[in-house]
Amino acid sequence: AQTVTQSQPEMSVQEAETVTLSCTYDTSESDYYLFWYKQPPSRQMILVIRQEAYKQQNATENRFSVNFQKAAKSFSLKISDSQLGDAAMYFCAYRSARLNSGGSNYKLTFGKGTLLTVNP
Amino acid sequence: NAGVTQTPKFRVLKTGQSMTLLCAQDMNHEYMYWYRQDPGMGLRLIHYSVGEGTTAKGEVPDGYNVSRLKKQNFLLGLESAAPSQTSVYFCASSLNTYNQPQHFGDGTRLSIL
Repeated sequence: AQTVTQSQPEMSVQEAETVTLSCTYDTSESDYYLFWYKQPPSRQMILVIRQEAYKQQNATENRFSVNFQKAAKSFSLKISDSQLGDAAMYFCAYRSARLNSGGSNYKLTFGKGTLLTVNP
Repeated sequence: NAGVTQTPKFRVLKTGQSMTLLCAQDMNHEYMYWYRQDPGMGLRLIHYSVGEGTTAKGEVPDGYNVSRLKKQNFLLGLESAAPSQTSVYFCASSLNTYNQPQHFGDGTRLSIL
């Protein structure tokens, strides 16, 4: 079974600075997807960025980028020019890309989350 | 532009009572999921469905039942609520292709006294 570990329960960053959130995962599969979701106090789960394991190039979405190290099974999220609106709980998640008849591989396995505080 | 809608948003139950949480999606997604979120635990999969009329167990299915009679709706039932089921429940849906992300509802906060 896959596991996802976020070793930083809480992080803080000054507004306009850069912060990196860590995520490691354990899997025996070679093809999979990794996601970062943001959960603000409103409780919504918002997709921030995703990475396909077969792609060597790190994904980027505006101020958000990842450092994907497949051999090390590491998937960190970098937030540049942090804004007050970035304050939220961030979850790393894993999903298999291997098709099975039951569909169970389509589920997301989540880490426990990192609470990010942005200080003005 | 509704996406995934969960009903109700809050509920307080007494131990032993029953209730049903409703999830509705308007994106024609084949796959639907129910997760629970507890402090320090992240989200854990309760049940999921890969299509109308199908359901399957996730990681923590005990004490819950589900039904998917219509493609757009996925119901989560608690037959006899227990305090251990106090949690925030999230519904999600996705297309049946592995590279598509899951879309989440806003959650239901359920307290069992």
